[in-house]
Amino acid sequence: AQSVAQPEDQVNVAEGNPLTVKCTYSVSGNPYLFWYVQYPNRGLQFLLKYITGDNLVKGSYGFEAEFNKSQTSFHLKKPSALVSDSALYFCAVRAFSGGGADGLTFGKGTHLIIQP
Amino acid sequence: ETGVTQTPRHLVMGMTNKKSLKCEQHLGHNAMYWYKQSAKKPLELMFVYSLEERVENNSVPSRFSPECPNSSHLFLHLHTLQPEDSALYLCASSQEPELAGAGPSTDTQYFGPGTRLTVL
Repeated sequence: AQSVAQPEDQVNVAEGNPLTVKCTYSVSGNPYLFWYVQYPNRGLQFLLKYITGDNLVKGSYGFEAEFNKSQTSFHLKKPSALVSDSALYFCAVRAFSGGGADGLTFGKGTHLIIQP
Repeated sequence: ETGVTQTPRHLVMGMTNKKSLKCEQHLGHNAMYWYKQSAKKPLELMFVYSLEERVENNSVPSRFSPECPNSSHLFLHLHTLQPEDSALYLCASSQEPELAGAGPSTDTQYFGPGTRLTVL
């Protein structure tokens, strides 16, 4: 069975500084990895995904993530944080069930707080 | 907006009530999903529908009953719920390969805003 770990419940960063939100995964076979963001009282918004190819994936709102197979990690990064980036971030992995559609397994989420 | 709508946005029900949650996707996708987000647990997959057929049921209690009448609509029928069922219920959709077993799904799932359910 696949699993995702987000080791930090909360990450605090000053506005303008770089940010990193950590994610490690466990899956048999090739990993298909996703990052989503959730603002208060909203659903999940897709940020980016890694399927294959370049280990550095670029996504929405200036976010990027680096896939590291040897460390089984997929950390989310942004060079310069904005106060509006404050939200709950989820890392997820997709499994292969053979049924034509597969659900996502999520980490517990990391609260990102950007301080002005 | 993601093109996935959910109604109602908020629902309060007693343990003996019967209610339904509705999800509609305007993206032309062929797969739909129900997830549960509660305060004490990570997001949990409940049901998966591919081409209007249920392909996965993650050991969800029978008091939750899904229905997918067509590729654009997904319902979650609720009856005799428990207070611990209070949560945010999220619907998602994606465009998937049509052949089962053709390979792992790589397509992005797009989520609706959710229904906040409170069971008294």
